[in-house]
Amino acid sequence: DVKVTQSSRYLVKRTGEKVFLECVQDMDHENMFWYRQDPGLGLRLIYFSYDVKMKEKGDIPEGYSVSREKKERFSLILESASTNQTSMYLCASSFLTAGAQETQYFGPGTRLLVL
Amino acid sequence: SQQGEEDPQALSIQEGENATMNCSYKTSINNLQWYRQNSGRGLVHLILIRSNEREKHSGRLRVTLDTSKKSSSLLITASRAADTASYFCATDTKGGSEKLVFGKGTKLTVNP
Repeated sequence: DVKVTQSSRYLVKRTGEKVFLECVQDMDHENMFWYRQDPGLGLRLIYFSYDVKMKEKGDIPEGYSVSREKKERFSLILESASTNQTSMYLCASSFLTAGAQETQYFGPGTRLLVL
Repeated sequence: SQQGEEDPQALSIQEGENATMNCSYKTSINNLQWYRQNSGRGLVHLILIRSNEREKHSGRLRVTLDTSKKSSSLLITASRAADTASYFCATDTKGGSEKLVFGKGTKLTVNP
């Protein structure tokens, strides 16, 4: 079974702190994704990566950066956390298939509260 | 950018009844996927239907796809209380990048 793990289920941080959210997958997937999920807004893509050291902006990259130094690990970084970044963060991974997006496998989510 | 839109936003039924959720999208797709999310958890993939398929089954799930109407439906037969969850459709874009766009979901409540 594919396993996607996220470093924390719940996280509380203060405004201005630097926050690292880690995601690890064990299926040798090329693609990895970070989403945030907010009530009434659904899932929105922050960043994705299709290879080591490669990254692409999603729909809402502002205030975030990412790092992919190893194939299995994709980190989301909040350089200076703000209260409007309080949200549920979901990581996902998938195989890279030319011309189509295949099944994505999700981690359990990190619920981040910024005070 | 919103691609898939689920309808209804919320659905409440009794155990044993069937539940039907609909999804509409805007652009040509390679495939459409349905996911389920239990409260406060990650999403779980249910079924993928390709643009050249019209219907697909998996256990108590039946998915249809009408590319001429740019719509899909998810039917859950003989529902159980454990089916209570939010259900999302997700589409890619033909000729687009390797990402999915998710709808806002249908919240299904199955009452025992």
